[in-house]
Amino acid sequence: SQKIEQNSEALNIQEGKTATLTCNYTNYSPAYLQWYRQDPGRGPVFLLLIRENEKEKRKERLKVTFDTTLKQSLFHITASQPADSATYLCALGLRTGGGNKLTFGTGTQLKVEL
Amino acid sequence: DVKVTQSSRYLVKRTGEKVFLECVQDMDHENMFWYRQDPGLGLRLIYFSYDVKMKEKGDIPEGYSVSREKKERFSLILESASTNQTSMYLCASSFPSGRVAYEQYFGPGTRLTVT
Repeated sequence: SQKIEQNSEALNIQEGKTATLTCNYTNYSPAYLQWYRQDPGRGPVFLLLIRENEKEKRKERLKVTFDTTLKQSLFHITASQPADSATYLCALGLRTGGGNKLTFGTGTQLKVEL
Repeated sequence: DVKVTQSSRYLVKRTGEKVFLECVQDMDHENMFWYRQDPGLGLRLIYFSYDVKMKEKGDIPEGYSVSREKKERFSLILESASTNQTSMYLCASSFPSGRVAYEQYFGPGTRLTVT
């Protein structure tokens, strides 16, 4: 069966450290993968996109890797801050006949402590 | 700035009522989506539309229908609300993807409670 797995347990780290979140998938062949941030009571906000032929993408303190052999994406936040505390969702981009659609993981809650 | 708005932040309806959730985007996006989000299940796609009057079922369309008469507006309809449709409903929009993939822009969500 098809599955997208993100750590269901919250990740607690200290301010200034690097947070690493994992997204594993099975029985999908995504054309691309996206990461979103979601704060409580709000809709997700897009952060980064990485395509199937790309290994790594960076944006400021964020870095995403994509390994289609391992079927895994890693999402890193360097020099983490309390303001980075949120739930982070990975989403696989799948091509359909009518256009793209995303299939989301359940998200990992990140808490950055002082 | 892209803006996706949803008609209500909170809604309480009774079992059996017909419920309309409205979504409007102001960025001329072709694609629009309706999701529901439940604890432990994440975001699940109900329906999406890639053009006016075009729709495609998502992963959980049962009990829902949609309408897209204008490009900027996408409505989700619960024909006869049931308690298991209590959830957070999120609308999103995006440009269509060909060789280029685009991100989705989400509205703030509607928390629907069916009693």
